[in-house]
Amino acid sequence: GDSVTQMEGPVTLSEEAFLTINCTYTATGYPSLFWYVQYPGEGLQLLLKATKADDKGSNKGFEATYRKETTSFHLEKGSVQVSDSAVYFCALRSGGSNYKLTFGKGTLLTVNP
Amino acid sequence: DTEVTQTPKHLVMGMTNKKSLKCEQHMGHRAMYWYKQKAKKPPELMFVYSYEKLSINESVPSRFSPECPNSSLLNLHLHALQPEDSALYLCASSQGGLAGPNTGELFFGEGSRLTVL
Repeated sequence: GDSVTQMEGPVTLSEEAFLTINCTYTATGYPSLFWYVQYPGEGLQLLLKATKADDKGSNKGFEATYRKETTSFHLEKGSVQVSDSAVYFCALRSGGSNYKLTFGKGTLLTVNP
Repeated sequence: DTEVTQTPKHLVMGMTNKKSLKCEQHMGHRAMYWYKQKAKKPPELMFVYSYEKLSINESVPSRFSPECPNSSLLNLHLHALQPEDSALYLCASSQGGLAGPNTGELFFGEGSRLTVL
C-alpha cells in the first residue's frame, strides 16, 4: 500500500536558517504529492502541492520538487522565520489508495529568534 | 468564503452522554471528511462523504455515527464514547467528489477538541 516517510523531528533552527525536511514515498501509479502545515491550536492548511514528476510546488517561500526517480518530495525554505514554527506533514494521494490522503508522521519545526 | 467551520471548539462529555460535532462549508465542495488526530500524530481518516453519500468508513466503531444532511453540512454523532476517544476531531472538504480533480487539496476546519471523562 501507499506510504510516506518523513524525517522525524523535532527540528530546531535559528531565524534566517535554511530548512530542509525530507520526504520519500511509496505509491501505486503516479501520486499527487502535498505538504500540509499545522500551526499550534489550528487545523491543517495546504502549503504546496505537485501533481506530476518534476513539478515544483511553491508557496510562502517554501518549495518542493516532485522527484520520481528518487520518490522524494523534500520541503525547503531558504530563510525561516519564527512564524514558520509548526508541524509539517508530507502527504500523497493516489488511485491505489482509493484517493485517500496518506500522511507522513509529521515534523515539528521550532524557529528561535 | 474559503472556511470550514466546526462547532463546538471544545467538548467535554461523560461516557454515557450523547453529543454531536458539527461542520459547515460554503465553498460548493462535494466531498467532506472526518479525521481524528491524537497529540503529535498525523490525522487518521474516519469517514468520507462524496456527493452526500458515505463513500468511506475506515472501520470506525459504531459509537461514532456520521451524518451528511446536505452538501454543506456534516455531523458526527457521539454516543457511549471511551476515554481513549479523546482527541482533536477535524472536518475537511474538497472540491468535486472523492475521485474528482483537486481532491488532495483538503480544506480543514480548526477542529473540535473532545475530552471523554
